[in-house]
Amino acid sequence: AQKITQTQPGMFVQEKEAVTLDCTYDTSDPSYGLFWYKQPSSGEMIFLIYQGSYDQQNATEGRYSLNFQKARKSANLVISASQLGDSAMYFCAMREGHIGQNFVFGPGTRLSVLP
Amino acid sequence: TAGITQAPTSQILAAGRSMTLRCTQDMRHNAMYWYRQDLGLGLRLIHYSNTAGTTGKGEVPDGYSVSRANTDDFPLTLASAVPSQTSVYFCASSVDRANTGELFFGEGSRLTVL
Repeated sequence: AQKITQTQPGMFVQEKEAVTLDCTYDTSDPSYGLFWYKQPSSGEMIFLIYQGSYDQQNATEGRYSLNFQKARKSANLVISASQLGDSAMYFCAMREGHIGQNFVFGPGTRLSVLP
Repeated sequence: TAGITQAPTSQILAAGRSMTLRCTQDMRHNAMYWYRQDLGLGLRLIHYSNTAGTTGKGEVPDGYSVSRANTDDFPLTLASAVPSQTSVYFCASSVDRANTGELFFGEGSRLTVL
């Protein structure tokens, strides 16, 4: 079964607008971490933001914020004030505590920022 | 700062040949991983290692083997390559903290099996 689901293969957003990239996850472990990575066309994987399952507040890192809804098992990434350089693939990922080091990724969403 | 170094960056390999993808990190991270990235499938875990001397199977381990003789090196071997192993391979490492340690990635190795 898919542990990480990203239902938007591709998204478009106008420059300077905000955009939400969806991510839902599946785990029975009460302790887990959720991550978002960016992969530009150059291919490197860039860590963006982290949310722990016990964190009370939604994580924020600059223009990135994570809309964490634990009961719905969703961890959507919100990018505010989109820039042309935000055009990239975005991957949601989860690390489950009791499994140790298992770190699984979703299929990704390709974001295109339009001028 | 080197971080994680992968080699080669690109390789074309004949089916049936063996190949080792090298991965070295200088961050003294305990955990290391090998992923393959295929269009529409995201990154899938092949093998991982929690610490030197131990390895574990990921989601797609068949046709691959790994070893972890020391903290820094985590080579991935394809004993007899097949065309379905054509992919981009990423090595990664993380600090050994439950849940919170993000992955640090190498720049990837593009492998084409003909």
